[in-house]
Amino acid sequence: SQTIHQWPATLVQPVGSPLSLECTVEGTSNPNLYWYRQAAGRGLQLLFYSVGIGQISSEVPQNLSASRPQDRQFILSSKKLLLSDSGFYLCAWSITRGTGELFFGEGSRLTVL
Amino acid sequence: AQRVTQPEKLLSVFKGAPVELKCNYSYSGSPELFWYVQYSRQRLQLLLRHISRESIKGFTADLNKGETSFHLKKPFAQEEDSAMYYCALSDYNTDKLIFGTGTRLQVFP
Repeated sequence: SQTIHQWPATLVQPVGSPLSLECTVEGTSNPNLYWYRQAAGRGLQLLFYSVGIGQISSEVPQNLSASRPQDRQFILSSKKLLLSDSGFYLCAWSITRGTGELFFGEGSRLTVL
Repeated sequence: AQRVTQPEKLLSVFKGAPVELKCNYSYSGSPELFWYVQYSRQRLQLLLRHISRESIKGFTADLNKGETSFHLKKPFAQEEDSAMYYCALSDYNTDKLIFGTGTRLQVFP
C-alpha cells in the first residue's frame, strides 16, 4: 500500500536560518507531489506542485523553494526564513491524471522566531 | 480564475440537527469538486467527490452549475462529525487541487 511521510513534525527556527522539510512517498511510481500551507482563516494554500523529477511549478511568490531530486521525494526549502514563513506545511501526493484525490502527510509545524 | 469560497468559518449545531456547509466556486470549464475532512489529530482526507454521487457517513453534496455551488449536507448531525471541512476544485488541465478556506463544524451533544 502507498504511504507518505514528511519530517520533521515540528521545527523551531530563528529568522534568517535555512529550512529543509522532506517528504517521501512509498508504494507508487511517478506520483504528482504537492506542498500546501495550512493557515487559520486562509485555508490550504498551494505552494508548489510537481508532475515529475525536476519539474516544479510555483503557485505563489514567496521565500520558499521546492525540489524533487527523486521520483518519490519532495523537499521544501528556504535559504533565509522570515517570520511570515511560520505555519503548518502539508505534503501530498496523487496519481498522475487522477481522480482529484490527494493523500496527505502528517504535516510539519514550523515556528520562526 | 479558479476560486473556491466557503463563507462560514464556523458552524455550530446540536446533535440531530441538519447541517449544510456552503461552498461556491468559480471555474471556466467543467469543474470536478470534492469535500475533504480533517478530524482532530488526523490527516486531511477525502470525504466525497461530486462525480461519484455517493453518500459518505451520511453526507451528500450536489453540484449546482447554475448557482456554482457544491454544498455539503447531512440531515442529522452526529458529535463525531465535528471536524474541519474543506471544499476543493480540481483543475483538470494541471491536476492541481484548489481548496477553500475551510469551515469548522462543531456538533454539540
